[in-house]
Amino acid sequence: AQRVTQPEKLLSVFKGAPVELKCNYSYSGSPELFWYVQYSRQRLQLLLRHISRESIKGFTADLNKGETSFHLKKPFAQEEDSAMYYCALTSQETSGSRLTFGEGTQLTVNP
Amino acid sequence: DAGITQSPRHKVTETGTPVTLRCHQTENHRYMYWYRQDPGHGLRLIHYSYGVKDTDKGEVSDGYSVSRSKTEDFLLTLESATSSQTSVYFCAIWASGRGEQFFGPGTRLTVL
Repeated sequence: AQRVTQPEKLLSVFKGAPVELKCNYSYSGSPELFWYVQYSRQRLQLLLRHISRESIKGFTADLNKGETSFHLKKPFAQEEDSAMYYCALTSQETSGSRLTFGEGTQLTVNP
Repeated sequence: DAGITQSPRHKVTETGTPVTLRCHQTENHRYMYWYRQDPGHGLRLIHYSYGVKDTDKGEVSDGYSVSRSKTEDFLLTLESATSSQTSVYFCAIWASGRGEQFFGPGTRLTVL
């Protein structure tokens, strides 16, 4: 069975401070990891995925297979980063490209 | 938004009442999903579909049924709504060409 854990339900930082949202997963196969973001009362949207290894809105995430982690990082948080962030996992072995989501982390960036 | 809409966007109903939520897509995607979003639980998969009339259960399927009679519509039915089904429901599609799920705007359901 696959599982995604986000240990922090709430995270609060000040503008300009570094931020790290933690994500750990358990899966025995080859996972694909994603970060989705949900701004207040909007639909979820993809922020980034480990396969593309890109930086979106200043955020990066590196897949660490040894530690089974996919932490999301940004060196200088902005107020507009305040949102709910979800880590999610799928794999080629999972039928229908289903995603397993973590519980989510609510990030608040204070002025 | 990959052409995904949901209806209704908000609904208040009473315990024991049947409820049907509709997800509509315009881009002919094969895979469609229904999730519920609850604080402390994230998003949990209710049911998904891999084609017309082809559906399967997710992790929280009890009390829910789905139907997909045509590619563009995926219906979620609560046969007899309970207060524990008060939630925000999201529909999604898998855009295979882009390798990601796109989500609808959500339906906020309150069961009194």
